[in-house]
Amino acid sequence: AQRVTQPEKLLSVFKGAPVELKCNYSYSGSPELFWYVQYSRQRLQLLLRHISRESIKGFTADLNKGETSFHLKKPFAQEEDSAMYYCALNQAGTALIFGKGTTLSVSS
Amino acid sequence: KAGVTQTPRYLIKTRGQQVTLSCSPISGHRSVSWYQQTPGQGLQFLFEYFSETQRNKGNFPGRFSGRQFSNSRSEMNVSTLELGDSALYLCASSLDGASTEAFFGQGTRLTVV
Repeated sequence: AQRVTQPEKLLSVFKGAPVELKCNYSYSGSPELFWYVQYSRQRLQLLLRHISRESIKGFTADLNKGETSFHLKKPFAQEEDSAMYYCALNQAGTALIFGKGTTLSVSS
Repeated sequence: KAGVTQTPRYLIKTRGQQVTLSCSPISGHRSVSWYQQTPGQGLQFLFEYFSETQRNKGNFPGRFSGRQFSNSRSEMNVSTLELGDSALYLCASSLDGASTEAFFGQGTRLTVV
């Protein structure tokens, strides 16, 4: 079955500390993965996608097919990074299968 | 450009009633998908429409249905409401499906009493 697992419900870090939000997936085939983010009182929005291989707001994510992972990383967390982060898998080009999300809390 | 608009924002219904939620996608987007968000289950895919055709459906009972009109606007209907249907229902539009960026609406908060 296609599944996305985010093992941490909450991740609390101090400003300036490195951040790694974990995402593991189960998918038979070539996966297409995304990270979506929801800031307080805002809509869910795309942060980045693995095929673009770009850095957005200092975040990067590398697809590791051997470990079936797509962890989100940032070397130095900022307070404005505090949000809910969802890892998502493209299913058949028509649906996103979401993990249950990780709340990132960055404090000073 | 205008974002994805969902109406109404809030709804309170009684068990056994039916409800219709509406979603207006971003102009030019032909794909509209619906998700149910609950604290326990997170975001779950309901269905996706493209050019008035349902292309994919999630694992929800037949009480959940939807449709898309020629202008890409979409509606979802839930019949015979149950308490467990209380949730935030999110609509997302994209150019042509999950491989392109999905833009989400603010959601409709449905409460079944």
